[in-house]
Amino acid sequence: QIVLTQSPAIMSASPGEKVTITCSASSSVSYMHWFQQKPGTSPKLWIYSTSNLASGVPARFSGSGSGTSYSLTISRMEAEDAATYYCQQRSSYPPMGTFGGGTKLEIK
Amino acid sequence: EVQLVESGGDLVKPGGSLKLSCAASGFTFSSYGMSWVRQTPDKRLEWVATISSGGSYTYYPDSVKGRFTISRDNAKNTLYLQMSSLKSEDTAMYYCARQLGLPRDYAMDYWGQGTSVTVSS
Repeated sequence: QIVLTQSPAIMSASPGEKVTITCSASSSVSYMHWFQQKPGTSPKLWIYSTSNLASGVPARFSGSGSGTSYSLTISRMEAEDAATYYCQQRSSYPPMGTFGGGTKLEIK
Repeated sequence: EVQLVESGGDLVKPGGSLKLSCAASGFTFSSYGMSWVRQTPDKRLEWVATISSGGSYTYYPDSVKGRFTISRDNAKNTLYLQMSSLKSEDTAMYYCARQLGLPRDYAMDYWGQGTSVTVSS
């Protein structure tokens, strides 16, 4: 089973600052999804298939990566971006979903 | 508007059973695979089960295989998770999620609000 490791686990950023969250896979995968979760709410699909923004996601977000290394980037941090972000992928067979441990992003 | 509403969560003793439901609306339920995902008290997300659109195929991780059963009633637009032989480590918030198809790499694009399961004596 593939293991996804996110770094950092916790970080803070100032408004306007560039933010990068990484997700490392224990073996090569062909895509990565990202979810945003705020306290008391369910996770929301944020970026799918590595680089596609889900509906309503601001253009300051982007996703990239290949093989074992993927990242989510915020070009300029805003207060509303404070949340926990999870990466996720699904193996082909058996179709098992795996999540990273999460990155809690706080605003300075 | 896509809506997924879970219910059935409760406090249950170790070894007990529980059945969760997820009522779907706002989309053609029978056209989508569906999954259950749980979030543990330390905020880890764990995939629990997936069922194909027609219900013929089901998948589970080893941690719940043989104890949990996912099913669906497409006539009632409802997804279920039957849980038995519950353990303390099954304590979590349980979410149902709609699953997109292969062209979108099976992304889970809509999630319910969750239902809480606590396993404790």
